[in-house]
Amino acid sequence: QQPVQSPQAVILREGEDAVINCSSSKALYSVHWYRQKHGEAPVFLMILLKGGEQKGHEKISASFNEKKQQSSLYLTASQLSYSGTYFCGTVGGSNYKLTFGKGTLLTVNP
Amino acid sequence: DVKVTQSSRYLVKRTGEKVFLECVQDMDHENMFWYRQDPGLGLRLIYFSYDVKMKEKGDIPEGYSVSREKKERFSLILESASTNQTSMYLCASNPGYRVDGYTFGSGTRLTVV
Repeated sequence: QQPVQSPQAVILREGEDAVINCSSSKALYSVHWYRQKHGEAPVFLMILLKGGEQKGHEKISASFNEKKQQSSLYLTASQLSYSGTYFCGTVGGSNYKLTFGKGTLLTVNP
Repeated sequence: DVKVTQSSRYLVKRTGEKVFLECVQDMDHENMFWYRQDPGLGLRLIYFSYDVKMKEKGDIPEGYSVSREKKERFSLILESASTNQTSMYLCASNPGYRVDGYTFGSGTRLTVV
């Protein structure tokens, strides 16, 4: 089953913060986050593992609540380059299968 | 950097044709994947392979098959193309551990007329 992402779209002004949420109905081993710019391939941002710590670099970080099977991506002091569609992907059980959500379109305006 | 190369950026095929989409990765990755991407639906997994000659069905395998004869190459086959298979097809690979991210190719935009 696809994880559910919210919101579907968000519009920010440069310098504002945003949170994108991802939730699953099944037990998860890991959560991935990717960003895709228009006409380009998705690019891996980070992975959060069951039992792992919150991760992040610079102004993009993420958390994983194992009990609730939820993850959140935090973008602080957004830049124009953050614009794109953000996808979460979830891995459950013992396989390698990565199931993506439908995506969140983030637009950062000057 | 890992490179995942898809042989065609754009393809136009006729209904009923057999279509081959090719994907090659250059970093000795164990796992390879085929997704299709449609507006509003996100990326949906068609097939994946965790070893040469091994394959597993993803979420939407109907109408597709795959081939992995060499580690670096993973082919997606549309046995008899139909208009509802018009889509963006993305190939991805990862080293083989569940702690690694995926590297995607640039995609093939397939139009079936």
